[in-house]
Amino acid sequence: EPEVTQTPSHQVTQMGQEVILRCVPISNHLYFYWYRQILGQKVEFLVSFYNNEISEKSEIFDDQFSVERPDGSNFTLKIRSTKLEDSAMYFCARRTGRNTEAFFGQGTRLTVV
Amino acid sequence: QKEVEQNSGPLSVPEGAIASLNCTYSDRGSQSFFWYRQYSGKSPELIMFIYSNGDKEDGRFTAQLNKASQYVSLLIRDSQPSDSATYLCAVIETNFGNEKLTFGTGTRLTIIP
Repeated sequence: EPEVTQTPSHQVTQMGQEVILRCVPISNHLYFYWYRQILGQKVEFLVSFYNNEISEKSEIFDDQFSVERPDGSNFTLKIRSTKLEDSAMYFCARRTGRNTEAFFGQGTRLTVV
Repeated sequence: QKEVEQNSGPLSVPEGAIASLNCTYSDRGSQSFFWYRQYSGKSPELIMFIYSNGDKEDGRFTAQLNKASQYVSLLIRDSQPSDSATYLCAVIETNFGNEKLTFGTGTRLTIIP
């Protein structure tokens, strides 16, 4: 199963700046997710996206976060005003349907300075 | 709060021996379970997906699921140094029809040559 492609692989940004993380999934995948992993901590759910709309979001996913699929292919996570504590690995994941495997992209390492 | 519990380790196993990793979960309604391998700084890589009670084997890996005991395990036979990684247990949680993966903290496994 080919991986989901995420870009960029590493981004350094100044606190308060906006960042957009991108995920290019396979076209027949219906369910998309964003997860993050702060260094040394567990993988945490941020948001799930189905049929071009958010299906569920966590408490972490506050007003500073947004997701969209602007052109029907790329799936983006935007952080409007980054904080130091947003520094983490961000993973995109996708599934073809319910009760199926979930495959992760290679991740974007976000460093906020 | 639905929980997925794993012993964080580290678990040290001699090369060639069997490594046994355990996971318990709190949501009795969970139906699908995953084991991922994560090397340091990399994304989770799917090892096993199981949803039926009993054993599922794939090469050197065997997943065991017991829904009555809310317990899922992973056995790695003939352990190799390349198996040294953190192993993540993940459980599908369903909330008003929406599915997401909830992860445990992971077990760090070290295979000793």
